[in-house]
Amino acid sequence: SQQGEEDPQALSIQEGENATMNCSYKTSINNLQWYRQNSGRGLVHLILIRSNEREKHSGRLRVTLDTSKKSSSLLITASRAADTASYFCATVVAGGTSYGKLTFGQGTILTVHP
Amino acid sequence: DTAVSQTPKYLVTQMGNDKSIKCEQNLGHDTMYWYKQDSKKFLKIMFSYNNKELIINETVPNRFSPKSPDKAHLNLHINSLELGDSAVYFCASSQGGGTWGQETQYFGPGTRLLVL
Repeated sequence: SQQGEEDPQALSIQEGENATMNCSYKTSINNLQWYRQNSGRGLVHLILIRSNEREKHSGRLRVTLDTSKKSSSLLITASRAADTASYFCATVVAGGTSYGKLTFGQGTILTVHP
Repeated sequence: DTAVSQTPKYLVTQMGNDKSIKCEQNLGHDTMYWYKQDSKKFLKIMFSYNNKELIINETVPNRFSPKSPDKAHLNLHINSLELGDSAVYFCASSQGGGTWGQETQYFGPGTRLLVL
């Protein structure tokens, strides 16, 4: 079953604006990861946040995690046209031996207009 | 240098045929994965191998058979192709070796399969 739900499904903004994408999940997690997929390409890992972390930064990316609400958000600041892509959250469930199995959300399609 | 490569990039074939997709990684990783992305962009794991041993086997029709000749290669063979098999298939790899889930997965460029 699908673990992550992303919101919004599509987001259209102007260059220089901030973009915020949200992800909700259902079960307890070990960590949550964000990936980017450019059109017709494979996925690229952006950031990993562990269940005991609340916030993480990487360049223009800021990820928050609220385990009580089972939700995460990805903020891209000062967006650029090159940020246009689909963004996916993926979770690794807690406990047991998941062998790194990633369960993906549906993704948010971000379009940044020059 | 390409980290995770897949061949072919595109595959168009008739229903009922058998086809294979190959994946190779030059990252020295122990773990490799196959994912399927459907037309709605939903990504779902199919299989995972760690050092040639099957460790994840999701509910996938047994027409799909993965094979890992060595830890740098993970191939996917599909028998009796059906229309619903049309999708993009992604291979990925990660360090593995017990650090599963704590690490980045590196994805290949995908194989676009169209079954007519």
